[in-house]
Amino acid sequence: EAGVAQSPRYKIIEKRQSVAFWCNPISGHATLYWYQQILGQGPKLLIQFQNNGVVDDSQLPKDRFSAERLKGVDSTLKIQPAKLEDSAVYLCASSLGTGGFYEQYFGPGTRLTVT
Amino acid sequence: RKEVEQDPGPFNVPEGATVAFNCTYSNSASQSFFWYRQDCRKEPKLLMSVYSSGNEDGRFTAQLNRASQYISLLIRDSKLSDSATYLCVVNDYGQNFVFGPGTRLSVLP
Repeated sequence: EAGVAQSPRYKIIEKRQSVAFWCNPISGHATLYWYQQILGQGPKLLIQFQNNGVVDDSQLPKDRFSAERLKGVDSTLKIQPAKLEDSAVYLCASSLGTGGFYEQYFGPGTRLTVT
Repeated sequence: RKEVEQDPGPFNVPEGATVAFNCTYSNSASQSFFWYRQDCRKEPKLLMSVYSSGNEDGRFTAQLNRASQYISLLIRDSKLSDSATYLCVVNDYGQNFVFGPGTRLSVLP
């Protein structure tokens, strides 16, 4: 079974530039998550989708971050404009359903460096 | 107070040692609990779910104390391959997953 795919794996941009990340979840997984993991910290949930609807985006900095999952399959996360503090690993995860009893499967992440 | 707190670590233990990690959570409505393992520069992977009655998987034992809002992970007979960061995760059933900061373990030869 193919895992969660993410691209790019690494990205270096200057502050105030824009960047986009892509995620393709495991086939059949209805729920998709984007997390931000800053060095030395645990992942922090940014947004959760159930199919193509948003379940929780309470921690997404909406002035600069946006995410979509138009067809209920793959998803993109965008940052515009980037700040130095956005340097982190952006992890995508998927699960069969929403709720706390479904295992999340994580992709390899995109490591973003903002200079 | 942070939602999920863990032992700060790092823990440096010799092979064969027994090591225990602790985790506390602030939301009494939390319903499900997990331990994830994250290797250096890799993604987190589920190690085990934590059930009310406690559960064991080989050398790993997880315990939950709802009254004290406390979760533990015990690793017996540590192996070099157990070296990783262990993340405590709490979910409010239907709401978001909250990860702790992680506790780093180094098992030394």
